[in-house]
Amino acid sequence: QSVLTQPPSVSAAPGQMVTISCSGSSSNIGNNYVSWYQQLPGTAPKLLIYENNKRPSGIPDRFSGSKSGTSATLGITGLQTGDEADYYCGTWDSSLSAWVFGGGTKLTVL
Amino acid sequence: QVQLVESGGGVVQPGGSLRLSCAASGFIFNTYVMHWVRQAPGKGLEWVALIVSDGSNRYYGDSVKGRFTISRDNFKNTLDLQMNSLRADDMAVYYCAKGGATIKGPFHIWGQGTMVTVSS
Repeated sequence: QSVLTQPPSVSAAPGQMVTISCSGSSSNIGNNYVSWYQQLPGTAPKLLIYENNKRPSGIPDRFSGSKSGTSATLGITGLQTGDEADYYCGTWDSSLSAWVFGGGTKLTVL
Repeated sequence: QVQLVESGGGVVQPGGSLRLSCAASGFIFNTYVMHWVRQAPGKGLEWVALIVSDGSNRYYGDSVKGRFTISRDNFKNTLDLQMNSLRADDMAVYYCAKGGATIKGPFHIWGQGTMVTVSS
């Protein structure tokens, strides 16, 4: 059981928008920055969003992040088949003194 | 460019030991926190350990505490993970990742991973 809770899967059609939620508590999301990672099939994870809503260089603005209280959300607009991947949220947990991840969400672009 | 290359994975018997290494290049290694993150077959990401930039402080996930030791050599730009008393549930792809300037910084760059198989 992961400390952060994500839906196991989401799906949408090409060109549509999808959101992926990440729920935690005051010891993690509530008081620390959230980052999001994309893992394409058979590859290493890649940083997608950091400090809740910032995009590293090279990440298109179709990807966005937000945080409210003890939850965070990843948004993807203009879905492409190449966006099919597993998405993970992560943050520092101040009570555990450990990094924690969500269980991951598999995105299917129908 | 920034690159992390892991090595040292392989097959080990339960109770055995293995040492993983990660060679870093393309950035000022001694100014960043470094991490190990693992992923069991078909499972999600699990954070394993981190070491701060000067090596003075280390943190571990509960499942590896007391069995794994993270270390770094800021002259050779390498990160290591000594794994002892290996169990079947330690079997995973192990990724080395570049963190931020502090322990709360995100995982900016990931290596390609090295597979550890624990089997008799």
